[in-house]
Amino acid sequence: NAGVMQNPRHLVRRRGQEARLRCSPMKGHSHVYWYRQLPEEGLKFMVYLQKENIIDESGMPKERFSAEFPKEGPSILRIQQVVRGDSAAYFCASSPVGKGNYGYTFGSGTRLTVV
Amino acid sequence: DAKTTQPNSMESNEEEPVHLPCNHSTISGTDYIHWYRQLPSQGPEYVIHGLTSNVNNRMASLAIAEDRKSSTLILHRATLRDAAVYYCILRDRDNYGQNFVFGPGTRLSVLP
Repeated sequence: NAGVMQNPRHLVRRRGQEARLRCSPMKGHSHVYWYRQLPEEGLKFMVYLQKENIIDESGMPKERFSAEFPKEGPSILRIQQVVRGDSAAYFCASSPVGKGNYGYTFGSGTRLTVV
Repeated sequence: DAKTTQPNSMESNEEEPVHLPCNHSTISGTDYIHWYRQLPSQGPEYVIHGLTSNVNNRMASLAIAEDRKSSTLILHRATLRDAAVYYCILRDRDNYGQNFVFGPGTRLSVLP
């Protein structure tokens, strides 16, 4: 039973390019959460999605960032026109239900470096 | 959202028990107490969670105070692999859609 799969593990982009980060949740999990961790900082919530729906995007920067979780396929976090400040580790988590008595399973993350 | 307070850092010797405290004085009756840890360069990892009763699993034990205003994560025999940042987080059982809010956590160092 594979866990949460994130790819790529490492991604290098030049300033101004687009970054696409993929997350395949655990089998049977329909809730996906994206977090960002800047170097030497804590985990910050970005967005919570269910299949085809964005439930909470309160932590997502208003510009350049978008997320989707289509009916088929992985969840995608998309960053357009990347800047150096976007360099961070991006973690995806999934859960079977959105309620608070269930935990998350996290992926190993995608480390984005903007040069 | 109810908040938690943890010490910034703790140290332990290898093969000794470790008690990681967490204060949550504003916890509500439906808040579950979750613990996660993050090893260096890895994603967070679920450790344990509970509501009122003490909980045990293969990784750790969770001791919850009778008034639920504090809890303690217990690692029975620390190993070097347990060196990580440990997060104590509250999440409302009935609040559909609430996400986990990670604080700074406790950085545990394990000395050989």
